[in-house]
Amino acid sequence: DAGVTQSPTHLIKTRGQQVTLRCSPKSGHDTVSWYQQALGQGPQFIFQYYEEEERQRGNFPDRFSGHQFPNYSSELNVNALLLGDSALYLCASSLVLASSGANVLTFGAGSRLTVL
Amino acid sequence: QKEVEQNSGPLSVPEGAIASLNCTYSDRGSQSFFWYRQYSGKSPELIMFIYSNGDKEDGRFTAQLNKASQYVSLLIRDSQPSDSATYLCAVNIRTGFQKLVFGTGTRLLVSP
Repeated sequence: DAGVTQSPTHLIKTRGQQVTLRCSPKSGHDTVSWYQQALGQGPQFIFQYYEEEERQRGNFPDRFSGHQFPNYSSELNVNALLLGDSALYLCASSLVLASSGANVLTFGAGSRLTVL
Repeated sequence: QKEVEQNSGPLSVPEGAIASLNCTYSDRGSQSFFWYRQYSGKSPELIMFIYSNGDKEDGRFTAQLNKASQYVSLLIRDSQPSDSATYLCAVNIRTGFQKLVFGTGTRLLVSP
């Protein structure tokens, strides 16, 4: 059973450029969340997609946008890249457990973005 | 006040000892609590989650939850050098739809 897959694994961009990161959720999961993790920090919530709609958003500017497709896969787009956007971008898919109501996230390996 | 707070460490313990990792949270309405382990350069992996007050055990790991004190902890018994990693506490914040908020993580070092 394939877990969460992300691509690309590493990429280097320059300031002002745009980037698209991709994510395929774990089989059976319908919700995708994106997180940004800067070096030495915990993951910061960017947004969450369910049924092809953004249903929650963290404290990130509009330069960060996303999309979810009918097959539940998702993209994260970042425009006008800044040096501070350099980070590990994590995609997590989830399933809410009926027994507990807990929203259990499974993470992909991440996409490491370096902005020069 | 941060939503989820952890001591960044490092927490150093000798092999075979018990490692105790702590986390506090601010949202009293939080219902479920998670511990993830993250090795350097890798993504977080779930260790366990807890949603009822008290203890929950899984092998060498025990999660403890005290909702009145807004406190959750993770105990690792018989610590091994392979347990050396950053441990992330995460809390399900109920804001209409469930959102997982992470602490900054505690770095654990287990020395042989």
